[in-house]
Amino acid sequence: GQSLEQPSEVTAVEGAIVQINCTYQTSGFYGLSWYQQHDGGAPTFLSYNALDGLEETGRFSSFLSRSDSYGYLLLQELQMKDSASYFCAVRDGDYKLSFGAGTTVTVRA
Amino acid sequence: KAGVTQTPRYLIKTRGQQVTLSCSPISGHRSVSWYQQTPGQGLQFLFEYFSETQRNKGNFPGRFSGRQFSNSRSEMNVSTLELGDSALYLCASSPRGVESPLHFGNGTRLTVT
Repeated sequence: GQSLEQPSEVTAVEGAIVQINCTYQTSGFYGLSWYQQHDGGAPTFLSYNALDGLEETGRFSSFLSRSDSYGYLLLQELQMKDSASYFCAVRDGDYKLSFGAGTTVTVRA
Repeated sequence: KAGVTQTPRYLIKTRGQQVTLSCSPISGHRSVSWYQQTPGQGLQFLFEYFSETQRNKGNFPGRFSGRQFSNSRSEMNVSTLELGDSALYLCASSPRGVESPLHFGNGTRLTVT
């Protein structure tokens, strides 16, 4: 089966940098995605890595190492509005999408 | 462009009943996928439809079914409801499939009593 591991919670202060790791075990791999979900809201797409390396989108960056079955999401210059849950998701060889359990990020003033 | 629209937003049903949830994707998106979100299990893939064909199905019992219409709108049906079916059901659309960024609706909160 598929499994994705990510930390359950992270707390940091405004302006700090947070890294959320995601390790995965899937049969086949077609990319790692990250989604953000605020309380009571819909998940929104943040980034996607199909190949090894770093993808940067504004204050958010995502990294993938396929040989290590590992990726991370980097949140820089943290703002209060970044307090949310963050999910990694992997598309496996059967084109099914599996999500991690989510990391709750709390930003303190 | 209008976003993904799910109706209804909230639903209360009793055990044994059945329920139909609706999802209107973003215009031009041919893929619609459904997810169940619960505090204990997180986000779990239910199924994906592309151009009216079910392309993939997650590990859910046959009580969960869906379909997609020619205008890409999709419905999800759950029969013989159980208490454990209480969850937030999310629909997402994308241009090509789950390999492309998903655009989620706000979900339908189903409570089974």
